[in-house]
Amino acid sequence: GAVVSQHPSWVICKSGTSVKIECRSLDFQATTMFWYRQFPKQSLMLMATSNEGSKATYEQGVEKDKFLINHASLTLSTLTVTSAHPEDSSFYICSAWTEAYEQYFGPGTRLTVT
Amino acid sequence: SQQGEEDPQALSIQEGENATMNCSYKTSINNLQWYRQNSGRGLVHLILIRSNEREKHSGRLRVTLDTSKKSSSLLITASRAADTASYFCATGGSARQLTFGSGTQLTVLP
Repeated sequence: GAVVSQHPSWVICKSGTSVKIECRSLDFQATTMFWYRQFPKQSLMLMATSNEGSKATYEQGVEKDKFLINHASLTLSTLTVTSAHPEDSSFYICSAWTEAYEQYFGPGTRLTVT
Repeated sequence: SQQGEEDPQALSIQEGENATMNCSYKTSINNLQWYRQNSGRGLVHLILIRSNEREKHSGRLRVTLDTSKKSSSLLITASRAADTASYFCATGGSARQLTFGSGTQLTVLP
């Protein structure tokens, strides 16, 4: 079946630095990918919709200048957390849809900002 | 904002018992999905039920959907310790993004 990967699976960074998280569709092309954030013991919250070749669409309350999304190819979307702070520590999960309208989630990236 | 609410928030049962989780949502949907998440891991898709379906089965899973009440339930029969996880419902709209419920933490005691 279709696979979505994320890299890295976990990352620790210092406050004020930037971190890039990659989401790849391994055996299919995805014009649209979604980025979710999940705080401990909470549900997933949609952050933004990543559109290949165009600007991402951000959900209300999500700072687009802080969470930079680039969907430069049909198999790769990146989320860059700029000037990270401890409150950005979270589990970030991406998802991608196949042309057959099947959705697959990545395994997630655990970000810890110290 | 989160659309779905799930109850109970936490459920603890003995192995072999059935577990029922409920999900309510607020707006019209195209489909409703249930996911499982082990602690600190990614999501595993369990089952999708479309808005014109009322019940669906998959192995030990049974999902119902009542669009008039905007609610769904997930029944896991003959539970096993390995079923211990968080379970989320998610509703899908026309734009393909999902809105997740608050989740139920299921603990199955051996």
